[in-house]
Amino acid sequence: NAGVMQNPRHLVRRRGQEARLRCSPMKGHSHVYWYRQLPEEGLKFMVYLQKENIIDESGMPKERFSAEFPKEGPSILRIQQVVRGDSAAYFCASSSGQGPQETQYFGPGTRLLVL
Amino acid sequence: TQLLEQSPQFLSIQEGENLTVYCNSSSVFSSLQWYRQEPGEGPVLLVTVVTGGEVKKLKRLTFQFGDARKDSSLHITAAQPGDTGLYLCAGAETGGYQKVTFGTGTKLQVIP
Repeated sequence: NAGVMQNPRHLVRRRGQEARLRCSPMKGHSHVYWYRQLPEEGLKFMVYLQKENIIDESGMPKERFSAEFPKEGPSILRIQQVVRGDSAAYFCASSSGQGPQETQYFGPGTRLLVL
Repeated sequence: TQLLEQSPQFLSIQEGENLTVYCNSSSVFSSLQWYRQEPGEGPVLLVTVVTGGEVKKLKRLTFQFGDARKDSSLHITAAQPGDTGLYLCAGAETGGYQKVTFGTGTKLQVIP
């Protein structure tokens, strides 16, 4: 999992600001997943992307949240007009394929704090 | 939405003791993973089990996948302080891409 990069590692925003979280998958991986984790809880699936395509965004709130994975560059999770309830750790994972047995490798996460 | 429940939620034991963590669901999974997560870090994959009834061993850790592929257990023998962390099971849905559902987590503390 050391190959998945996320930045920033910590992000502080005031209510109403925008938060941009970046994820660079492991080399050779074209599948990216975003998860959210609240303190002392498991991870909740948000969105699954392949290059230039959103495959499944069923876990992502329909308002204020968006994700992209452009042909070049990292995947971006964008949260507009942040609220205190958005405070959480956001993890990205990547895999080389999409089969049920493909291992997902996780990044170190971005801890978002909304004041 | 498939749910994975882990028990116990919290566990504090002395070094050298044995423990078992359970992961249960009413749903069938094509595979199940166990992760360990330390504070401030992302989950690190420990094992993937695929076949119903499968048992895998990783040093002092023994993982078992239920026959019906709905549940799993993690047994640690002679726990060490280095085993301290949050243990997460995660099930991949049958037939689809790898949409993974994470369990509720078990927070383990091993006291020296």
